[in-house]
Amino acid sequence: NAGVTQTPKFRVLKTGQSMTLLCAQDMNHEYMYWYRQDPGMGLRLIHYSVGEGTTAKGEVPDGYNVSRLKKQNFLLGLESAAPSQTSVYFCASSYSGQGGAKNIQYFGAGTRLSVL
Amino acid sequence: GQNIDQPTEMTATEGAIVQINCTYQTSGFNGLFWYQQHAGEAPTFLSYNVLDGLEEKGRFSSFLSRSKGYSYLLLKELQMKDSASYLCVRGFQKLVFGTGTRLLVSP
Repeated sequence: NAGVTQTPKFRVLKTGQSMTLLCAQDMNHEYMYWYRQDPGMGLRLIHYSVGEGTTAKGEVPDGYNVSRLKKQNFLLGLESAAPSQTSVYFCASSYSGQGGAKNIQYFGAGTRLSVL
Repeated sequence: GQNIDQPTEMTATEGAIVQINCTYQTSGFNGLFWYQQHAGEAPTFLSYNVLDGLEEKGRFSSFLSRSKGYSYLLLKELQMKDSASYLCVRGFQKLVFGTGTRLLVSP
């Protein structure tokens, strides 16, 4: 059982380049999330999805787009990368958002992105 | 983190007990999680409190006081592998993460 898998693990981009981060979960979870983690700051929510075909903005959505075409996959896109997007990106999933054990979020191993 | 306060760093000795405190904004409260994050790794779930009181799970316990906006994580019989960051997290669907407390366990 793989849980939550993120690809790639590392990436270096030049300013203005685009890329897509892939997140896949095999736990049949409804909810999926994308976070970024920067030194001295807590994890911040970029976008999230409450089910296949749905997406919503989180705390820091600017410069990112997402898609959830299949229940098990949640893609994060950077259309024109900027140095401010240098960060560690984590994907997470949960059974639901209804509270209690159903809202425990399971995280992928992270993607370390540098934008030069 | 948004209105979540926890110490930046703590140190303790192997075999000891350590308590990591967290205070949070009480408005709109709907649950308090603790996650563990080893350096360079993903956060992993430790505990969840929604009602006042103590939840015990092996060497780890978590306490919640909703009226005071206060929680703590208690780690007993510390081991070297407990050296990690401990994240206090508030919320349900959209979680709000504290910046974490880095715990250093020495021999």
